[in-house]
Amino acid sequence: SQKIEQNSEALNIQEGKTATLTCNYTNYSPAYLQWYRQDPGRGPVFLLLIRENEKEKRKERLKVTFDTTLKQSLFHITASQPADSATYLCALASSGGYNKLIFGAGTRLAVHP
Amino acid sequence: GAGVSQSPSNKVTEKGKDVELRCDPISGHTALYWYRQSLGQGLEFLIYFQGNSAPDKSGLPSDRFSAERTGGSVSTLTIQRTQQEDSAVYLCASSPQGGDTEAFFGQGTRLTVV
Repeated sequence: SQKIEQNSEALNIQEGKTATLTCNYTNYSPAYLQWYRQDPGRGPVFLLLIRENEKEKRKERLKVTFDTTLKQSLFHITASQPADSATYLCALASSGGYNKLIFGAGTRLAVHP
Repeated sequence: GAGVSQSPSNKVTEKGKDVELRCDPISGHTALYWYRQSLGQGLEFLIYFQGNSAPDKSGLPSDRFSAERTGGSVSTLTIQRTQQEDSAVYLCASSPQGGDTEAFFGQGTRLTVV
């Protein structure tokens, strides 16, 4: 069955460092991969979308890579700040008109001053 | 409103009762999703509506769960004969198309079955 794996352990880093989160998938050939941020008690908020024919996408301090051979996406936050502390979720969708969005379990990031 | 609206925000119900959760998506969005999130867990897919197509119900955990979307807009998720394991936050999201576009989430309905 389709499986999306994100590191269940929290990632603790020092302010100013680069945070790197991993999303791996199996039994799936997604055409689209998205990253969301979720704060406690709130719904997820969209950050970035990357397509299967794109290797890398950037938005301000965020960078996403998508390696369809490794079946992996990496999500980077450069110059991290305590305000970046949240849970980050990856989500995948196949191509075609009936392409529902399936989420991983998320990784909690804690940025310490 | 400008965003996805869910009601109620909190619901406490007795075991065995039926509950209805409502979602008002963003106007014009053809795709609508329901997810369930238990404490400290990820988003569990429940059901997906896309335009006039038959919904993808593959994530519904049992036949006690059902959902409908009227007029391609408002959606209602119904849980019959609630059980304690149904306690969770139920999140609704809409997007302009499907998984190739950004999804906008509501604040969720926290359901507690006592």
